[in-house]
Amino acid sequence: EDQVTQSPEALRLQEGESSSLNCSYTVSGLRGLFWYRQDPGKGPEFLFTLYSAGEEKEKERLKATLTKKESFLHITAPKPEDSATYLCAAPKAAGNKLTFGGGTRVLVKP
Amino acid sequence: EPEVTQTPSHQVTQMGQEVILRCVPISNHLYFYWYRQILGQKVEFLVSFYNNEISEKSEIFDDQFSVERPDGSNFTLKIRSTKLEDSAMYFCASRGDSNYGYTFGSGTRLTVV
Repeated sequence: EDQVTQSPEALRLQEGESSSLNCSYTVSGLRGLFWYRQDPGKGPEFLFTLYSAGEEKEKERLKATLTKKESFLHITAPKPEDSATYLCAAPKAAGNKLTFGGGTRVLVKP
Repeated sequence: EPEVTQTPSHQVTQMGQEVILRCVPISNHLYFYWYRQILGQKVEFLVSFYNNEISEKSEIFDDQFSVERPDGSNFTLKIRSTKLEDSAMYFCASRGDSNYGYTFGSGTRLTVV
């Protein structure tokens, strides 16, 4: 069964305190790994797609990396506006539905 | 930036009533999806739709659910007889002809009372 697991479930950071979120996956025929940001009561907002091991993508204070079994989302010097739930998701080869992890709730305190 | 639009943003309905959730996907996208998220739980896949037919559906998507693309712009999810456990956020998503960029709408919060 396809599984996407995220850790930790929640993360409390002080402003400027860098940290990393983990996403491990077992999805057969994986075609990419997606990171989304979700604010309360809103839909997932696309951040990154990673396709191959060793690939890295950056956007402002966020950097996503991918290995064969897991992906990391690094948050460098976070600000309070980075507070959100970060979701990773993997599409299957056939049908391309996304399997989501449970998310990591990040709270950045000033 | 193109976006997926969902209406209504919030719907309250009586148990047993029919509801229709509406979505306008990004205009040049080809693949359409419905997902749902029960409060505090994972985002779950319901159904995918391509070339005017369902391409995949989950176990959740039983005979009470149906989808339709009645014209060139709208994509709807109908729940025929709502149950309390159908209360959730429902998200529509679409993507173009590549694996890049599944774009989600802001969701419809469905409350069944």
